[in-house]
Amino acid sequence: GAGVSQTPSNKVTEKGKYVELRCDPISGHTALYWYRQSLGQGPEFLIYFQGTGAADDSGLPNDRFFAVRPEGSVSTLKIQRTERGDSAVYLCASSLGGLRTDTQYFGPGTRLTVL
Amino acid sequence: DAKTTQPPSMDCAEGRAANLPCNHSTISGNEYVYWYRQIHSQGPQYIIHGLKNNETNEMASLIITEDRKSSTLILPHATLRDTAVYYCIVRVVITGFQKLVFGTGTRLLVSP
Repeated sequence: GAGVSQTPSNKVTEKGKYVELRCDPISGHTALYWYRQSLGQGPEFLIYFQGTGAADDSGLPNDRFFAVRPEGSVSTLKIQRTERGDSAVYLCASSLGGLRTDTQYFGPGTRLTVL
Repeated sequence: DAKTTQPPSMDCAEGRAANLPCNHSTISGNEYVYWYRQIHSQGPQYIIHGLKNNETNEMASLIITEDRKSSTLILPHATLRDTAVYYCIVRVVITGFQKLVFGTGTRLLVSP
């Protein structure tokens, strides 16, 4: 079946611009996660949704970052006034939710480059 | 979450078993050990997890020591496609939510 998909696969933008990154989770998965991965590092947690609500946004680095999931399916990560330090691969994962040993399934990521 | 320690890199010959170690000496009783791997330019892929018993699935085996302070992921017959970064993660599982905390992992290179 279809896995987690993310669009675009690559995004190049200029410093100060606004970007949106999209995640389509596996159908039926109620939990959705965003992670960020810098070069040579493991992924770092950003935010977690259970349904439509952000249950934990403790990983968002600052208020330039915001994510939504209005209908409990597709999610969009929004970054305002991008900075060069925001350059990274942004990963989305989804899981069934509600289980003690839920498996997260990751998408291929969006590579963001801020010039 | 308990901290994990993994060697930065390992080599393995194709067809041989790859044994990837992980130390988690501060693990507590309700923390699970998870393994993920990340092939170049892809998202992380779940491999296996366990609490205290050894586990096996179609991808790998997980051996956890009796004191639970370390574990080993075993790929019984490594192939070139197993070349990847392998992450060992220790996590308290709260119903419905598991925030994965990745370290830098072990870069496994499988050679012909």
